[in-house]
Amino acid sequence: DTAVSQTPKYLVTQMGNDKSIKCEQNLGHDTMYWYKQDSKKFLKIMFSYNNKELIINETVPNRFSPKSPDKAHLNLHINSLELGDSAVYFCASSQEPRISGNTIYFGEGSWLTVV
Amino acid sequence: GNSVTQMEGPVTLSEEAFLTINCTYTATGYPSLFWYVQYPGEGLQLLLKATKADDKGSNKGFEATYRKETTSFHLEKGSVQVSDSAVYFCALSVRVGGSEKLVFGKGTKLTVNP
Repeated sequence: DTAVSQTPKYLVTQMGNDKSIKCEQNLGHDTMYWYKQDSKKFLKIMFSYNNKELIINETVPNRFSPKSPDKAHLNLHINSLELGDSAVYFCASSQEPRISGNTIYFGEGSWLTVV
Repeated sequence: GNSVTQMEGPVTLSEEAFLTINCTYTATGYPSLFWYVQYPGEGLQLLLKATKADDKGSNKGFEATYRKETTSFHLEKGSVQVSDSAVYFCALSVRVGGSEKLVFGKGTKLTVNP
């Protein structure tokens, strides 16, 4: 069983469309994340949720809206897609960090191409 | 602020060569340090980690030591294989409220030739 699974793996869509990427983790973790990897492979956090509560929101345009229906799911909805949104989006999860250094487990990524 | 600097790639080696990928960091407090690996067309996998000064993380023949005095976490492997070809990311973790985030370096692409 895949620990952190996200769908779709590949998505090609036109500018202006609205799309969602779904993520589920079966590790029983409290915390989930979305990271973005741009065309130069640079990785940066977008959002973090802990027990369905938004904890981290890193200056992401409000066209991006995460939704956490429960602890095991964190979906990413993107409105009015732009060419610059083309990237690989990684979902991830970890236990709530009582001490620093919890391992963050990543999904396999969703390759989004906006044309 | 918190940041990670990795050596610029790409790095190209022959099989069985010695590998070093340098990583230095700046951080407030005492972060944990990680190396993640991304094989072609795949997601990120944790390679190794160290949570305090002088800890050594190791996995699959790779190792890195948390050096507080030089703020470094260099990745080493004594004898690389073709299957080690991938992009390697150094990262540190910082706590934010009830969560934790990773701050990544820009990645170093390694190609190992037979």
